[in-house]
Amino acid sequence: AQKVTQAQTEISVVEKEDVTLDCVYETRDTTYYLFWYKQPPSGELVFLIRRNSFDEQNEISGRYSWNFQKSTSSFNFTITASQVVDSAVYFCALSEAGNTDKLIFGTGTRLQVFP
Amino acid sequence: EADIYQTPRYLVIGTGKKITLECSQTMGHDKMYWYQQDPGMELHLIHYSYGVNSTEKGDLSSESTVSRIRTEHFPLTLESARPSHTSQYLCASSLQQGVYTEAFFGQGTRLTVV
Repeated sequence: AQKVTQAQTEISVVEKEDVTLDCVYETRDTTYYLFWYKQPPSGELVFLIRRNSFDEQNEISGRYSWNFQKSTSSFNFTITASQVVDSAVYFCALSEAGNTDKLIFGTGTRLQVFP
Repeated sequence: EADIYQTPRYLVIGTGKKITLECSQTMGHDKMYWYQQDPGMELHLIHYSYGVNSTEKGDLSSESTVSRIRTEHFPLTLESARPSHTSQYLCASSLQQGVYTEAFFGQGTRLTVV
């Protein structure tokens, strides 16, 4: 069965600290997609990144970076030099190739960045 | 920025009322979804659609119904609202492609049934 686990319910940091949000997934499919979404206080989910299961290269986009490790079924997200505007709930999600209609979300991690 | 809109943003309504949550997208996406987000933040798929006249139930059983008469419009209806329906409802859309593309989400409707 497919499942996404975000063990950190809430994280608080002070501005400029680095922070890593953990995501562990379970799937029996060999082809799948992993996502991160940000949900700011305004409510919508903002797409951040998509990774397919055959692409284990880590990715960096500005202050954001993602570490995909199939060996540990993890897809962790790091924010470098955090800012107050990074405060949001972050969701990791999984979609299987044979069932791409459905995003399976983790329970989310609420990140609070204090000035 | 995604062009997907939900109205109303907030709704407080009495038990037994019929309500319709509106969702519209201007991106021409074939696939549309409704997710329910509980207070613990978890998101559950309750309905989805592949295109006009297509509707499917999601993983979480819901008393709501949906319709897809036009590509851009995917309204969700509750015939008789109950306090257990209190939640945030998020609408999303994505392209119908062989390789999965990301879903774009609206800002959500926060429903409170009193």
